[in-house]
Amino acid sequence: DVKVTQSSRYLVKRTGEKVFLECVQDMDHENMFWYRQDPGLGLRLIYFSYDVKMKEKGDIPEGYSVSREKKERFSLILESASTNQTSMYLCASSLGGKNIQYFGAGTRLSVL
Amino acid sequence: DAKTTQPTSMDCAEGRAANLPCNHSTISGNEYVYWYRQIHSQGPQYIIHGLKNNETNEMASLIITEDRKSSTLILPHATLRDTAVYYCIVRVGSTGGGADGLTFGKGTHLIIQP
Repeated sequence: DVKVTQSSRYLVKRTGEKVFLECVQDMDHENMFWYRQDPGLGLRLIYFSYDVKMKEKGDIPEGYSVSREKKERFSLILESASTNQTSMYLCASSLGGKNIQYFGAGTRLSVL
Repeated sequence: DAKTTQPTSMDCAEGRAANLPCNHSTISGNEYVYWYRQIHSQGPQYIIHGLKNNETNEMASLIITEDRKSSTLILPHATLRDTAVYYCIVRVGSTGGGADGLTFGKGTHLIIQP
């Protein structure tokens, strides 16, 4: 089974802090994604990566950056956390060229 | 991606078959029907997908009408753990080597009753 692991289920951070969300997949997938999910707004794509060191902006990249130094690991960075970044963050991966995505359990981030 | 329409919510008795409909009347010839579900406070989970033939796996069956304008996801023996929001989406099967983000609609909230 594909396993996508997110480092934390719950996080509480202060405004202005730098926040790192980590995601690891064990199926040698080329593509990795970061989404956020908010009530009434559904799933929104922040960034994705189709190869090591490659990244593409999604629909809402502002306030976020990403890092993919190794194929299995994709990190989401909030440079200076703000209260409007309180959300559920979901990581996903997929095989290159295929449209089936496998998701982690999610990280519920609260920024106070 | 083609637009899909699903009922907002459905109930089903535990142990019975749950049949979740989806309309996708503007589907293109190269687009597949995918189903995901999301159990409360968890990440979405891929269930099944198909192009035009009916498909079955260990989780569910997918029935696609001959004109491909609608489909039904069948959970043959629903359990309480199947209570979740179920999303039907339509998109191409291959991204040509690249990647593409998913967009979920509102989905169907399936509630399995004991």
